[in-house]
Amino acid sequence: GQQLNQSPQSMFIQEGEDVSMNCTSSSIFNTWLWYKQEPGEGPVLLIALYKAGELTSNGRLTAQFGITRKDSFLNISASIPSDVGIYFCAGRWQAGTALIFGKGTTLSVSS
Amino acid sequence: DADVTQTPRNRITKTGKRIMLECSQTKGHDRMYWYRQDPGLGLRLIYYSFDVKDINKGEISDGYSVSRQAQAKFSLSLESAIPNQTALYFCATSEQWDNSPLHFGNGTRLTVT
Repeated sequence: GQQLNQSPQSMFIQEGEDVSMNCTSSSIFNTWLWYKQEPGEGPVLLIALYKAGELTSNGRLTAQFGITRKDSFLNISASIPSDVGIYFCAGRWQAGTALIFGKGTTLSVSS
Repeated sequence: DADVTQTPRNRITKTGKRIMLECSQTKGHDRMYWYRQDPGLGLRLIYYSFDVKDINKGEISDGYSVSRQAQAKFSLSLESAIPNQTALYFCATSEQWDNSPLHFGNGTRLTVT
């Protein structure tokens, strides 16, 4: 089946640093989404991308839909302690199918 | 997301028992999903339903069954629980159009001993 490769698996950074994580696939995807999960809760949508090359921001977060349609990245600028959590990429490769998720990037921020 | 409610939040059961996890939503969404989360494996799709009469298998449906009793309710059953079904289970919903994002419940932590 379709798979998403998300990296890095985990990150340990200092408050104020910028963060970058990415997701790749071997197939073309027509939708890329980024979610964040905090302890004890379900994932919450951060950014949705629907067109190749699309660059979208949500506060300190920026995500891009790769022009090859096989990758996406998420950047977090000037990280703060509340950025801690697990970040998931998700994609849909074909209309009428359900979302597929990456394995997640666990972010730890020390102050 | 309080609009997607999962019950119970935690459950411990024994091997071989039948167990049902329930999900209800007040968002009015047509599509509902069950995912399973394991450490290091991310979220894997078990079953999904695009409307009341529609049921589709996901990538890891073996050992599970579902019932879509109404637009607002989608339950997941383990007919005979086994220890490797110990995991965090999430229900999610989305609107009918393909690019509609998922809205997740807060999860059910299931332990099979």
